Amino acid sequence: LAKTTQPISMDSYEGQEVNITCSHNNIATNDYITWYQQFPSQGPRFIIQGYKTKVTNEVASLFIPADRKSSTLSLPRVSLSDTAVYYCLVGDIGRDDKIIFGKGTRLHILP
Amino acid sequence: GAVVSQHPSWVICKSGTSVKIECRSLDFQATTMFWYRQFPKQSLMLMATSNEGSKATYEQGVEKDKFLINHASLTLSTLTVTSAHPEDSSFYICSARARDRRSTFGSGTRLTVV
Repeated sequence: LAKTTQPISMDSYEGQEVNITCSHNNIATNDYITWYQQFPSQGPRFIIQGYKTKVTNEVASLFIPADRKSSTLSLPRVSLSDTAVYYCLVGDIGRDDKIIFGKGTRLHILP
Repeated sequence: GAVVSQHPSWVICKSGTSVKIECRSLDFQATTMFWYRQFPKQSLMLMATSNEGSKATYEQGVEKDKFLINHASLTLSTLTVTSAHPEDSSFYICSARARDRRSTFGSGTRLTVV
């Protein structure tokens, strides 16, 4: 399982684009990158998953450079409700890898 | 989409009693379920992995006799905290993995032992 490193916390303002970067220098060939969001007293919620280049869905974009040693979760035009902890996870979804969480990034959106 | 129901959402129990937490995959079959514990301001800590019909695999430092896990069917796993003590008070979260390997988390159970 590749270890991930994220900023402990970030602050931003409503309406801004927020980019959270995750380092995973030891990512393996078959590993995918998955981001989860967690609100207080709730279980994590899947946001986005990708393998390389760029993935976009209705809530976020995920940018992965060619070397795949890092990834950036981009949240467009954040609102106060985006205040949460964001976790970056790396693992081989083709196997029954355990899902091990790192410390995550505590994002605080200010009005 | 995949839905995982976790029940109860919160429970208060007396020290020395046992508490059972249920985790159900509502619209898919879960080949594997994971149980996590989360303390305030901390990340999720994996406690154990369970596969339907087999014994759970516990992470290092997690007492299997204290945290009993049963995965009797492809849609239900239970975690029983036996002889609970105040230090077991925490937020417990389950996750169910479908055959397509996508994992969905339950909403969590807040356990308070008094």
